[in-house]
Amino acid sequence: GDSVTQMEGPVTLSEEAFLTINCTYTATGYPSLFWYVQYPGEGLQLLLKATKADDKGSNKGFEATYRKETTSFHLEKGSVQVSDSAVYFCALSDRGYGQNFVFGPGTRLSVLP
Amino acid sequence: GAVVSQHPSRVICKSGTSVKIECRSLDFQATTMFWYRQFPKQSLMLMATSNEGSKATYEQGVEKDKFLINHASLTLSTLTVTSAHPEDSSFYICSARGASGVSSYNEQFFGPGTRLTVL
Repeated sequence: GDSVTQMEGPVTLSEEAFLTINCTYTATGYPSLFWYVQYPGEGLQLLLKATKADDKGSNKGFEATYRKETTSFHLEKGSVQVSDSAVYFCALSDRGYGQNFVFGPGTRLSVLP
Repeated sequence: GAVVSQHPSRVICKSGTSVKIECRSLDFQATTMFWYRQFPKQSLMLMATSNEGSKATYEQGVEKDKFLINHASLTLSTLTVTSAHPEDSSFYICSARGASGVSSYNEQFFGPGTRLTVL
């Protein structure tokens, strides 16, 4: 079945450091790929998405590119802030956008001032 | 943006009792709601999909008599954990999707989750 693997944290960085959170997936079809973020005490929020190969999703300084050849969707940010501290989930949807999400285990990011 | 709430945020109950968790879409009509379960340091796992006015569709391995789902209105779905046991302790998260033809159809909006502890 479909699956998502992402680097497990916690990841601890200093403010303004470069962030990479790796995500790879296994899917039978051509899934849509997502990154969700969960701040303490809140629900999951969509951070960015990509629906086809070579698409780049971006939001709030975060970027991820849908790489079909490496089945990857790594999350990057050039300069993290303390406010970016949260848990990040990589996910795929293999039955069209909005259906049947498969999530990675989540990566906890802590950014220190 | 679309907001989904869950109640309660935390619940502690004794073994053998039943617990009801509510999931509400606050500013849109959710024709479809999803229930997930998350164990510590593990993925969110889809338990069931519920469509307003019809029976829920359960994922393989999820006991429908154990986890009762009701989606009686376009803004409310409930998950009842019946005869709860310690192994049911987990973090339960709901999400909602709007009707076809509106912007909220193309995304799942997540609630903040409910942490259930069964003693």
